[in-house]
Amino acid sequence: DVKVTQSSRYLVKRTGEKVFLECVQDMDHENMFWYRQDPGLGLRLIYFSYDVKMKEKGDIPEGYSVSREKKERFSLILESASTNQTSMYLCASSPLTGVLNTEAFFGQGTRLTVV
Amino acid sequence: RKEVEQDPGPFNVPEGATVAFNCTYSNSASQSFFWYRQDCRKEPKLLMSVYSSGNEDGRFTAQLNRASQYISLLIRDSKLSDSATYLCVVNGGGSYIPTFGRGTSLIVHP
Repeated sequence: DVKVTQSSRYLVKRTGEKVFLECVQDMDHENMFWYRQDPGLGLRLIYFSYDVKMKEKGDIPEGYSVSREKKERFSLILESASTNQTSMYLCASSPLTGVLNTEAFFGQGTRLTVV
Repeated sequence: RKEVEQDPGPFNVPEGATVAFNCTYSNSASQSFFWYRQDCRKEPKLLMSVYSSGNEDGRFTAQLNRASQYISLLIRDSKLSDSATYLCVVNGGGSYIPTFGRGTSLIVHP
């Protein structure tokens, strides 16, 4: 069964802390994504990666960085957490099949609160 | 203009009703289309892909209209358990990044 696992379901961090959100997929997918989801704004893409050590900025990369050292793992880093980064963070992966993409599979989400 | 647009709703319907959602997309080169379902405080999950010829899965029917650049989802005989947010997703057109609509909320009441 397809699986994307995020390291934490709920996190509470203090302003200014460095925060690591981990995501692991077991499907050998090339593409991995980090989104944040906020009420009324839908899913917004933060960063994505289409291969190991490759990363591209999404729509809202400010205040975030990512790391993909291994194919199965894609980490999202909040360099200095701020209260406006309180959100639901969703990791997703998908295979790359030619020029078309198949469905994306999501992790269960991490609800981050920055106080 | 947002790339993928949906009416946020909520659509409030009684059990047994038929309800339809539309979603418009701006990139005419888009190639793959999906409907996802998201329950409250859960991750999105694929409901169904949308094929050019239209496709049906039980009470759910998805249609694609490339000329007008929209996809639709029809739910027949609504159940209480259909209450959720339905997300329209578009891929392709030079990008392999899934682009999400903001979702349409459906509430099915007794």
